[in-house]
Amino acid sequence: QVQLQESGPGLVKPSQTLSLTCTVSGGSISSGSYYWSWIRQPAGKGLEWIGRIYTSGSTNYNPSLKSRVTISVDTSKNQFSLKLSSVTAADTAVYYCARDHFLLGNWFDPWGQGTLVTVSS
Amino acid sequence: EIVMTQSPATLSVSPGERATLSCRASQSVSSNLAWYQQKPGQAPRLLIYGASTRATGIPARFSGSGSGTEFTLTISSLQSEDFAVYYCQQYNNWPTFGGGTKVEIK
Repeated sequence: QVQLQESGPGLVKPSQTLSLTCTVSGGSISSGSYYWSWIRQPAGKGLEWIGRIYTSGSTNYNPSLKSRVTISVDTSKNQFSLKLSSVTAADTAVYYCARDHFLLGNWFDPWGQGTLVTVSS
Repeated sequence: EIVMTQSPATLSVSPGERATLSCRASQSVSSNLAWYQQKPGQAPRLLIYGASTRATGIPARFSGSGSGTEFTLTISSLQSEDFAVYYCQQYNNWPTFGGGTKVEIK
């Protein structure tokens, strides 16, 4: 079955750019049936959708983050990536990647295990 | 933004009892609602989509109902592995999540 795994630096300095990659295994990211999303969760808090990408490169972003977010896809590596610029302590969170059933109804399944990113100098 | 409000924040239930969790949307989301379970240190797991359709492999003791602005997740007989935090998520517009309900052992 499809599995997702996040990777990237666990510590980012304020004002810098957070960069994460999600590697998809057990299936092709280009299957055409799904979008691929990033979601985050600050410690002890709820979930916030960041944005999604289709294999064509088409993207949608959370309006509250849109000015700072870029999501890209590399089908040759079966990966998609997140860049979040000008980070502050408020961006400290566990970041998840997930398969997004957008073509059917936009729920998320499965999810990666998550990776903690701390913004601190 | 569609705001999702879950209640109660914490629900204390004895094993074997029924648990009823509520989720309210700030405007109608039709049946475009999903439920997730999250255990400590783990990613959320999809339980329900389309307000009432169980995801693959989800036990029948989990059921979802509702439409419009009012939704309910019912766990008919709580098992030890069901104590967790539950989130609702609407997808009628760009996705937003509720604040969660923690189901704890009474």
